[in-house]
Amino acid sequence: GAVVSQHPSWVICKSGTSVKIECRSLDFQATTMFWYRQFPKQSLMLMATSNEGSKATYEQGVEKDKFLINHASLTLSTLTVTSAHPEDSSFYICSATPMGDRETQYFGPGTRLLVL
Amino acid sequence: AQTVTQSQPEMSVQEAETVTLSCTYDTSESNYYLFWYKQPPSRQMILVIRQEAYKQQNATENRFSVNFQKAAKSFSLKISDSQLGDTAMYFCAFAAGNKLTFGGGTRVLVKP
Repeated sequence: GAVVSQHPSWVICKSGTSVKIECRSLDFQATTMFWYRQFPKQSLMLMATSNEGSKATYEQGVEKDKFLINHASLTLSTLTVTSAHPEDSSFYICSATPMGDRETQYFGPGTRLLVL
Repeated sequence: AQTVTQSQPEMSVQEAETVTLSCTYDTSESNYYLFWYKQPPSRQMILVIRQEAYKQQNATENRFSVNFQKAAKSFSLKISDSQLGDTAMYFCAFAAGNKLTFGGGTRVLVKP
């Protein structure tokens, strides 16, 4: 149980284009979903927290116009990297907390983004 | 703000042996949760074990167990009978409310 999927797992795009990453909780309804960024050999950095039907809450230093988050349902959140640039290349991971267990986050497999 | 510190950047262990990873945290919260997550080379974050701060009994999950010392704000992970598949990055994490604060990670290499 508590499976989270992410799509795509790999994406390569040209500078200036936008990329959308989907995060789905497959076998539970998620109260909250989170988006992280991870640089090589580093820990996870929280980018934003989103609740279904509400605007996302962004961490300090994260550009909300650059990283658009939509949490359309209790099982789906999307992260859109707008006008991507090479410095946006990274590993993006989502997580979700089940209803009734808001402290435990279950993670998706991550999306590797390379911007050329 | 909470902080989580993992003082061991890397550890190696022989297959079938035991290894203990250390984690300390700093918080003024009285009600919180602690976690160990594993990130193998695939980079999928996997929940290994969780501990509620109000529980005195240490959590165990098969070969994984913790030593939770609340007064010392210490939360170590013991991996018994290490297997090659345990090779991974291990992150200690703290949650008070729904946000996780991660430590810097400890890389564990299990040698055959």
